[in-house]
Amino acid sequence: EPEVTQTPSHQVTQMGQEVILRCVPISNHLYFYWYRQILGQKVEFLVSFYNNEISEKSEIFDDQFSVERPDGSNFTLKIRSTKLEDSAMYFCASLTSSSDEQYFGPGTRLTVT
Amino acid sequence: AQSVTQPDIHITVSEGASLELRCNYSYGATPYLFWYVQSPGQGLQLLLKYFSGDTLVQGIKGFEAEFKRSQSSFNLRKPSVHWSDAAEYFCAVGASPTGKLIFGQGTTLQVKP
Repeated sequence: EPEVTQTPSHQVTQMGQEVILRCVPISNHLYFYWYRQILGQKVEFLVSFYNNEISEKSEIFDDQFSVERPDGSNFTLKIRSTKLEDSAMYFCASLTSSSDEQYFGPGTRLTVT
Repeated sequence: AQSVTQPDIHITVSEGASLELRCNYSYGATPYLFWYVQSPGQGLQLLLKYFSGDTLVQGIKGFEAEFKRSQSSFNLRKPSVHWSDAAEYFCAVGASPTGKLIFGQGTTLQVKP
């Protein structure tokens, strides 16, 4: 069964460093999402992406964040200058309009020290 | 603003017992409602969804949920719980099938032998 994959599974970085979280969505999916879950808190929406552009973003998704689909298969989330409060589990999801179901990856745990 | 409340952070049931996980939502229009399950180290997996029609929906793994507009609820049920059902369960609401999801806090289910 096709699945969304994410790499790395765990990323440790120092405050102020740039990180790129990678996702490979399911191949025929057209809608892409990033969510995050700070330990002990709710899963929060960050951004959605369709037709090579951002379709919606939350107030969390400020100028430090960007997304890209560089090669038609990967979907990346970049954090330019990480802060301690960016430590969280980051989930990628993808969807094809025929299924109405967002398929989630296993997540990348980002730890900022 | 859209919001989802899962009043029970942690629930313990005996194997074979029935289960009900509560979910209340706040949303101005007819919501798209979802239940996801997350096992350790796994991504979020869709159990079931409600968009319209019959208010009792069946999902995978023997789960069902009932949409009650008057109570703004979408509770998840299972008649007989198996040890493999131990996981974290998330209720979510969306404005459209392809839109962002707003998640509840999650309920951790523990199953006693």
